[in-house]
This record gives sequence, structure tokens and C-alpha cells, in this order.
Amino acid sequence: GAVVSQHPSRVICKSGTSVKIECRSLDFQATTMFWYRQFPKQSLMLMATSNEGSKATYEQGVEKDKFLINHASLTLSTLTVTSAHPEDSSFYICSASMIGGGAVPTDTQYFGPGTRLTVL
Amino acid sequence: AQSVAQPEDQVNVAEGNPLTVKCTYSVSGNPYLFWYVQYPNRGLQFLLKYITGDNLVKGSYGFEAEFNKSQTSFHLKKPSALVSDSALYFCAVRAYTGGFKTIFGAGTRLFVKA
Repeated sequence: GAVVSQHPSRVICKSGTSVKIECRSLDFQATTMFWYRQFPKQSLMLMATSNEGSKATYEQGVEKDKFLINHASLTLSTLTVTSAHPEDSSFYICSASMIGGGAVPTDTQYFGPGTRLTVL
Repeated sequence: AQSVAQPEDQVNVAEGNPLTVKCTYSVSGNPYLFWYVQYPNRGLQFLLKYITGDNLVKGSYGFEAEFNKSQTSFHLKKPSALVSDSALYFCAVRAYTGGFKTIFGAGTRLFVKA
């Protein structure tokens, strides 16, 4: 089946530093990638949707300058948390879809295992 | 205000029995509705969605959900529960709130007992 990987699986950083999280589709070309954030009390938030080669579409309320998303190729999307602070500590999950389009999830959406970010 | 409610923190069912995980929503306009599942060792997965058309939507692993506009509900159902269905289930609605946003419910933990 389709596999999506994330790297790193967990990262600890100091406040004020920037952290990059990679999301890769290992055996398929991902036209669309999604980034989610899961808060400590388990609730989820869709942060943004990105299509290969174009700017990411951010959900309302998500800071574009804080969470930089790059979908440079059909197999790689990156999320950079800039000037991270303790409140950015979360579980970040990406997913990839072979089908292009907007932020509506597709039946062929495959999720990565997530990245645990802890900001000290 | 746009919102999604999953009124039950936890649902317990016996294996082989039907299961229902409840979801109600409050949005303006026509909603897009979704169910996701998060397994302990398999991560997050997308189950099904309602965009338009038939109110009964069939999804992965034998799950289905019924869109009920008058009751503003989108309950998740399965005729016969499996122990392997034990997981955390999230309902979500996509709405326009000055910009598009997908709003998630708080999640319902399903326990299926053998």
C-alpha cells in the first residue's frame, strides 16, 4: 500500500529556534499534501493544504509566517515552525493524496506517523 | 458560531453488536462532513466524507454515516463491531468562517469488548 513517512519522529528544540519537519510519499506521487496538528488533549486541526509547485493554502487562523509549508516535489513536503515557542509543542501529522484539489480529504489520503515537537 | 460536537467521550460495545458514534454540527450553509479514525499503532486514517448527494455514505472498514440535515447530525455506524475497531474517532466539518476552516470534534474513544 501507499506509504507516507515523516522525519524526524520526535524533536526537542529550544525556544526561538526553527524546526523543519519532512513528509515524504515513498511509493507514489502526492499531488496534494495536508498538514494537521494534534494538541495535547487530542483535538485535531487541519493547518494547511499544499499542491505541488504552488503555494500552500492555509486554514483560517493559522499563521502563515509561523508555519512555513513547502511542497517542492511530488514526493516531499516540508513544514517549518519558525521561532518556535513552547505553545507550538504538538504532534504534527502530514498526509498525502494522489488526487489533486483543495482541502477536502480524498478517499486515497494516506497519513504519516506523525512528529512530536517539544519546545523547551 | 460554527462547531462540531461529539457528545460521548467514550463508547463501549460488545464485539458483533452494532455501534454508533454520534456527531452533531452547527454551521451556516451546506456542510462538508468527515470522519477520521486514529488507531493506537497505525496512526490517523480517513474513513469517509459527505459532500453532496446520497445521505448515506459508505466508507472504509465497513463503516457508514448518515447525513441528517434536519437534526444536523452525521452519526458514524457499523452493523457489527470488531475488537480491531477500538480506536479514537473524530468527526469534522468544513465550513466558511471568514475563511475556510475544518473544525474537528473532540473525539470519541470506542472500546469493543470481545
